[in-house]
Amino acid sequence: GIQVEQSPPDLILQEGANSTLRCNFSDSVNNLQWFHQNPWGQLINLFYIPSGTKQNGRLSATTVATERYSLLYISSSQTTDSGVYFCAVESGGSNYKLTFGKGTLLTVNP
Amino acid sequence: DAGITQSPRHKVTETGTPVTLRCHQTENHRYMYWYRQDPGHGLRLIHYSYGVKDTDKGEVSDGYSVSRSKTEDFLLTLESATSSQTSVYFCATQLGGQETQYFGPGTRLLVL
Repeated sequence: GIQVEQSPPDLILQEGANSTLRCNFSDSVNNLQWFHQNPWGQLINLFYIPSGTKQNGRLSATTVATERYSLLYISSSQTTDSGVYFCAVESGGSNYKLTFGKGTLLTVNP
Repeated sequence: DAGITQSPRHKVTETGTPVTLRCHQTENHRYMYWYRQDPGHGLRLIHYSYGVKDTDKGEVSDGYSVSRSKTEDFLLTLESATSSQTSVYFCATQLGGQETQYFGPGTRLLVL
């Protein structure tokens, strides 16, 4: 099946700093999503982005499908951005099943 | 998101007992999923449903069964719980193919 690798596995920032999270995948994809899991365990969808660029406030994401990677940018980070960020992909023929990466644990210190 | 509720939210049970977890959604989404989340493994798909009475296996389906008799409900059953099934279980829904997926709040299951 498709492989999904996220980097870095851990990231510690001071409040106000910017960061870039990366997701590499091993095959062409029909669907790519970014999720944030907050410290209380809740999973929130950030972006549905199989290709192109999207922005939502301080967060933006870019997927370059032809080169098999996606980037999540967090600008002016806040303590509430802390948590785990997951990338998930669906490859052709997978019948709408997502495969998740292992995530990036982000800690934003005040 | 998508009005997803899971019940129970917490459960402690003993090895060998049957356990059923319920996922309920109010948005008429076609696809429903059960995942488990364990340290070091991220989220792994157990089973999913692509319509009423239509289900298929995921990556870690052994020891689990599912049923979907109504659009809004997706049940996950552990026929005989084992300690290796101690985990956090998440339900998710998706309106259609290649759409945004939404997650429920999760169920913490401890099998003693």
